[in-house]
Amino acid sequence: GNSVTQMEGPVTLSEEAFLTINCTYTATGYPSLFWYVQYPGEGLQLLLKATKADDKGSNKGFEATYRKETTSFHLEKGSVQVSDSAVYFCALRGNTGGFKTIFGAGTRLFVKA
Amino acid sequence: DVKVTQSSRYLVKRTGEKVFLECVQDMDHENMFWYRQDPGLGLRLIYFSYDVKMKEKGDIPEGYSVSREKKERFSLILESASTNQTSMYLCASSRRELSYNEQFFGPGTRLTVL
Repeated sequence: GNSVTQMEGPVTLSEEAFLTINCTYTATGYPSLFWYVQYPGEGLQLLLKATKADDKGSNKGFEATYRKETTSFHLEKGSVQVSDSAVYFCALRGNTGGFKTIFGAGTRLFVKA
Repeated sequence: DVKVTQSSRYLVKRTGEKVFLECVQDMDHENMFWYRQDPGLGLRLIYFSYDVKMKEKGDIPEGYSVSREKKERFSLILESASTNQTSMYLCASSRRELSYNEQFFGPGTRLTVL
């Protein structure tokens, strides 16, 4: 079945550092891929998405490229801020088999001033 | 502004009590979901619904039931709460079909069962 694997956290960075959070997936067909973010005390919200191979999703300085050849969707940001401290979830929704979205375990990011 | 609301942010119940968690969305979405979130385990799907009065079991339905009498409202019921149901519960909704439709989440209910 479909699955998502993302790097374990926590990840601790200093402000203005470069961020990469790795995400790989297993799926049949052509899934859509998502990154969600959860700020402290809140629910998840969509950060960015990509719906086909080689698409790049981007939002708030974050980017991720849908790489079908490596089955990956790594999240990157060139210069993190303290306000980026949150938990980041990689997710997959297949185009077969119904409505379920598969979430990774989440990666907690701490950014120090 | 689209919105998913949950009836309580924090809830404390005793073992054996019947617990109702309510979720309402104002986006006319067909699909609604209940997840629980536990440290190190990410989000696990409890139940989902793709239409009024329709429901499907997710990955961990044991000990839970759901009700969807109206399109905008999806309720999660713990028939007899137990301490291992202490968790964060997240409700979400999305449009039907099309794999690129993302989910919209409520703020969560942190449930403690004593």
